[in-house]
Amino acid sequence: AQSVTQLGSHVSVSEGALVLLRCNYSSSVPPYLFWYVQYPNQGLQLLLKYTTGATLVKGINGFEAEFKKSETSFHLTKPSAHMSDAAEYFCAVSVRNDKIIFGKGTRLHILP
Amino acid sequence: GAVVSQHPSWVICKSGTSVKIECRSLDFQATTMFWYRQFPKQSLMLMATSNEGSKATYEQGVEKDKFLINHASLTLSTLTVTSAHPEDSSFYICSARRVAVGYGYTFGSGTRLTVV
Repeated sequence: AQSVTQLGSHVSVSEGALVLLRCNYSSSVPPYLFWYVQYPNQGLQLLLKYTTGATLVKGINGFEAEFKKSETSFHLTKPSAHMSDAAEYFCAVSVRNDKIIFGKGTRLHILP
Repeated sequence: GAVVSQHPSWVICKSGTSVKIECRSLDFQATTMFWYRQFPKQSLMLMATSNEGSKATYEQGVEKDKFLINHASLTLSTLTVTSAHPEDSSFYICSARRVAVGYGYTFGSGTRLTVV
């Protein structure tokens, strides 16, 4: 079965600094990988996804992630943090167009 | 495009009553819908997968008699929490998978259920 591990339940960065949220996955078959963002008491918004093809995926709001099969990783980055980026971020995995399994989430705090 | 409407956004009910949550895909057809539960400050736990016209598949540990799922059409799935108790209080989120070419899931905005 597939699974996702997000390293760090809380990450704090200064406004304008690099954002790096780590995600490692486990899957016996080629996975589809996702990053979602959730604001308090709201649903999920898709930031980006990797299915096939180019391993560097660009998403909304300046985020991007790189699929590294050799490292089984799919880390999320953004060059310059903004206060509005403060939220909960979930990495997720799916195989064979099936259900999505989520990691435990990382709360991103932006320091002024 | 690809909007999922989930209603109600919040509901308070008394212990022992039942509550129905609707998940509707507004501008696309969804052969499959997923229901998740999220406890405060925790991740989303998949409860069940519903396919249009067939019985839902429940994840291990989820009581199918308590959480009734119906997926009667390609645009509507419902989750009914029967005989609700305070421990059922949670944030419930649905997700719809699009039929069309491409790999897309769209999430509803969630329902905050409080059982008193």
